[in-house]
Amino acid sequence: ELIQDPAVSVTLGQTVTLTCHGDSLRVYYATWYQQKPGQAPILVIYGRNNRPSGIPDRFSGSNSGSTASLTITGTQAEDEADYYCNSRDRSGNHLVFGGGTKLTVL
Amino acid sequence: EVLLVQSGGEMKKPGESLSISCQGSGYSFTDFWIGWVRQMPGKGLEWIGIIYPGDSDIRYSPAFQGQVTISADKSIATAYLQWSTLKASDTAIYYCAKGVVRATTYWFDSWGQGTLVTVSS
Repeated sequence: ELIQDPAVSVTLGQTVTLTCHGDSLRVYYATWYQQKPGQAPILVIYGRNNRPSGIPDRFSGSNSGSTASLTITGTQAEDEADYYCNSRDRSGNHLVFGGGTKLTVL
Repeated sequence: EVLLVQSGGEMKKPGESLSISCQGSGYSFTDFWIGWVRQMPGKGLEWIGIIYPGDSDIRYSPAFQGQVTISADKSIATAYLQWSTLKASDTAIYYCAKGVVRATTYWFDSWGQGTLVTVSS
């Protein structure tokens, strides 16, 4: 199971960190997805801290113990979205998503 | 360009069967996993399962095991998600996604546009 805060807000231009907690994160990296209303999710961070092409470098990821974090530095209005973490479960045989965090940019 | 194109929306009645599809292009279909993800109305993402078209290795989420069937036809680069008996609670958007697997991580780097399945009497 992966646990995320349901909602987080950030002031435009500021830095925000979204977290994802789960025992499996002690072994496996988290992957982060962004989903805007009416759209399919897109990949933003994978592995240790990798961004697909097209994802701005203001997005970064980190891992510590059973917590994975997604940091947005200099948050833009277009970053307002739902963010989901995803990883393997403790068995390694299945995947699991966190419940998602709704990020509001004020 | 990698593309995953899903079949169109469906309206079904409880008890009916259904198969939705996901056709991949722009990459080697047999060399990557295809995953299926459910999103119920107003809710989060749920992992249903994955298939490796190269050898039809399939993994199901325990929550969906026995409820759906995942398959693939590598000759036409298409994956399928099937129900034999739909329920109203199957109403959701279903996404397919191209998966990359590594020892310590897993990610979906391309997603289909989603298929809305509505089950109502």
